[in-house]
Amino acid sequence: DAMVIQNPRYQVTQFGKPVTLSCSQTLNHNVMYWYQQKSSQAPKLLFHYYDKDFNNEADTPDNFQSRRPNTSFCFLDIRSPGLGDAAMYLCATGGDTGELFFGEGSRLTVL
Amino acid sequence: RKEVEQDPGPFNVPEGATVAFNCTYSNSASQSFFWYRQDCRKEPKLLMSVYSSGNEDGRFTAQLNRASQYISLLIRDSKLSDSATYLCVVGLDNYGQNFVFGPGTRLSVLP
Repeated sequence: DAMVIQNPRYQVTQFGKPVTLSCSQTLNHNVMYWYQQKSSQAPKLLFHYYDKDFNNEADTPDNFQSRRPNTSFCFLDIRSPGLGDAAMYLCATGGDTGELFFGEGSRLTVL
Repeated sequence: RKEVEQDPGPFNVPEGATVAFNCTYSNSASQSFFWYRQDCRKEPKLLMSVYSSGNEDGRFTAQLNRASQYISLLIRDSKLSDSATYLCVVGLDNYGQNFVFGPGTRLSVLP
């Protein structure tokens, strides 16, 4: 059974139209991560939560926001998507073993 | 210099071949090392952790050379199902927020 579930798997939006991506986890881990991965590139960490403590990477644009209402759920909000935001968005969780458990990703297309 | 660099690839090898991937990292304070596998348009999944003494899991062998800041992954007797991108991941500890992903090396195993 999937331990990290992302919805939607595919999202098409128009330039500037807000988008929300969701992630849920059944592992009860304290930490949740959002990554952006563009074609043929490494996943890039946008931000992470430790419990309710939000940690933004220094180079994450303000256009990206996140919410974590409880341990199981986390949301990624893209306020005004641009063409350059088209990517796969990966949610992950992990404990202290070093293993990251990723969801299947949400692939965003911006028209 | 990028923090984590990998062989640019792609590697195209016949079934049954032995193939080796290299990865170098720049931060000498790094303490944790992993190989992740990412199938086309899927999420990354942990293949194996890399220990100082080296470790083996079936056809896969990982080695770490701290002095040279170098990690390798050897795949013996390649199978078609090994076709994927292999991501080298280096961390300051076992917590994902301190991980750096390499750009990945793509492997295609040909019949």
